[in-house]
Amino acid sequence: KQEVTQIPAALSVPEGENLVLNCSFTDSAIYNLQWFRQDPGKGLTSLLLIQSSQREQTSGRLNASLDKSSGRSTLYIAASQPGDSATYLCAVPSGGYNKLIFGAGTRLAVHP
Amino acid sequence: GAVVSQHPSWVICKSGTSVKIECRSLDFQATTMFWYRQFPKQSLMLMATSNEGSKATYEQGVEKDKFLINHASLTLSTLTVTSAHPEDSSFYICSARDPGRDQETQYFGPGTRLLVL
Repeated sequence: KQEVTQIPAALSVPEGENLVLNCSFTDSAIYNLQWFRQDPGKGLTSLLLIQSSQREQTSGRLNASLDKSSGRSTLYIAASQPGDSATYLCAVPSGGYNKLIFGAGTRLAVHP
Repeated sequence: GAVVSQHPSWVICKSGTSVKIECRSLDFQATTMFWYRQFPKQSLMLMATSNEGSKATYEQGVEKDKFLINHASLTLSTLTVTSAHPEDSSFYICSARDPGRDQETQYFGPGTRLLVL
């Protein structure tokens, strides 16, 4: 049974810091791994999707890496801004593409 | 592109009533839609997979007679919470795949917050 864990559960940092959010999964036989952002009371916004054959993906100040063999992914946020404050979720598909297994998320607060 | 909407965004109802939530793909046709539930400070849990023109596939532990799913068209899926009780209060989020774009990415709606009194 696939399980996804995210560490830390919460993070509060001053503006400008570089951050690393961690995601681990128990079953390394994954097709891909996806990082999402969720603002309070809102739906999910897809940030990055890394295929199982890829090592990393970049979008602007975000960089996600994937180490399938060790069951880990990290989301690196450079030069954090207050607008980055949100909950960040990682998810992997299980049993094909249909069922996404989500971690509990990391709640990030970036203060000015 | 790939926009998913939900209606209503929030609803308050009395215990014992039924509530219908709509999920629409606005600019693409979605043969498959997904319904998730999220309790406070917990992650999303898949409830069911909704297939256009056929019965939904429910996850283990989700009562299909309580959470009725209808996917009558390629752009609309509905979730009806029947005889709602306070423990059904949650944040319900739908997602959809755009087969014309790729088979992997799910596009999420903004969610519906349900409060049962």
